[in-house]
Order: sequence, then structure tokens, then C-alpha cells
Amino acid sequence: AQTVTQSQPEMSVQEAETVTLSCTYDTSESDYYLFWYKQPPSRQMILVIRQEAYKQQNATENRFSVNFQKAAKSFSLKISDSQLGDAAMYFCAYKDAGNMLTFGGGTRLMVKP
Amino acid sequence: EAQVTQNPRYLITVTGKKLTVTCSQNMNHEYMSWYRQDPGLGLRQIYYSMNVEVTDKGDVPEGYKVSRKEKRNFPLILESPSPNQTSLYFCASSLIPGLAGGMEQFFGPGTRLTVL
Repeated sequence: AQTVTQSQPEMSVQEAETVTLSCTYDTSESDYYLFWYKQPPSRQMILVIRQEAYKQQNATENRFSVNFQKAAKSFSLKISDSQLGDAAMYFCAYKDAGNMLTFGGGTRLMVKP
Repeated sequence: EAQVTQNPRYLITVTGKKLTVTCSQNMNHEYMSWYRQDPGLGLRQIYYSMNVEVTDKGDVPEGYKVSRKEKRNFPLILESPSPNQTSLYFCASSLIPGLAGGMEQFFGPGTRLTVL
């Protein structure tokens, strides 16, 4: 079974600074998808960014970008120009061809004004 | 508005009292799924359904039942709830995986369940 590991239970960043959240995963598949979800205090799961494993180019969505290292099975999320509204729980997730999502344990991000 | 809805949003119950958490989506999605979220464990899949009358177990199916009689609805049933089922539950839906647009799952707002 696939596993997803987020080694940082908590992170903090100063407003306007940059922070990187780590994620590693274990799989024997070659075709899969990776996601970062944000969960604010409202508990809603919000998709932040996604990466197809067959694409070498790292995905970017405005202030959010990923560093996808397929050989190392690493998928980190970089948040630039951090804002107070970025404070949330962040989950890394892996999806195989069968649509099963496997989540990491989450990283709580705090943003200091 | 395209959305996944869950009811109730909060529920406190007692051990052994049967309950149902409803899930409905208005996006005509074939795939629906239930997850539970526990601290430090992220979200874990309970059951999923690829289409009407087609359901299968996820990682943690013990103590739960589901049914898929209509495409839009996917209720989660706890026949005899126990305290270890106290958790935050999410329903999600998507198009069929492998097809265009079938990659992203859309999540409901969550149901906080407490079993005393």
C-alpha cells in the first residue's frame, strides 16, 4: 500500500516570507497524481495544487509552487509571500489510477503577523 | 452552485444507536467516497463507489456500511456506533478516474461525530 509522510507536524512563517512544507511518499507505480490540500479552521478541504507524475515541470498556482522530485519520491509545497489567510492545516495526498486518495498526517502552518 | 453537501454537520450520539450521515452531490459525478479524519493520521478512506449499486471497501471499512441507490446520494451508515468512531467525516465525489476532469475530488463540508 502507498504511504504518504509529512514529517513536520507544525511550521510557522512570518507574514510575507516564504515557507516550504515537506512530503514524501512511497509507491511502486509510475503513473499517479499528487495533491496539496488546505484545511482552514472551517474544516473545508480546499485543493491548492496538483501534479501529474508524468509531467517533469513543477506545478505553480500563483503564490504556491511545488518541487516534485520523482526519483526521490518527494513533493514539497512552497508558499511565497505568506499571508495570514494561509494559516491552516495542509495535507499532502497521493492518488493512484484507481482514484484512491492516500493522505499524509498533515502539517499545521501558523503565520505570524 | 456545484457542491457536495453533508448532513448533519454535527452529531453527538450514544454507543449502539444507529445513525446515518447523508451525502449528496449535484455535479453528476460517478465516483463518491467517504473518509474519516483523525489527528495525526490525515484522512483515511472508508468506502467508495464507482457508480450506482457499485461500492467497495477502503482502508478502514469496519463498523460502517454504505449504499448507492441513486447517483447523487451516498449515505454512510453506522449500525452500532462505538466511541472509536468519534471522528470528522468527509464525503467526496469526482468524475470517473482516468477520464478528462476525473482527477480532482470535491469534498463536502465535513460532519463532526461524537459517540459517547
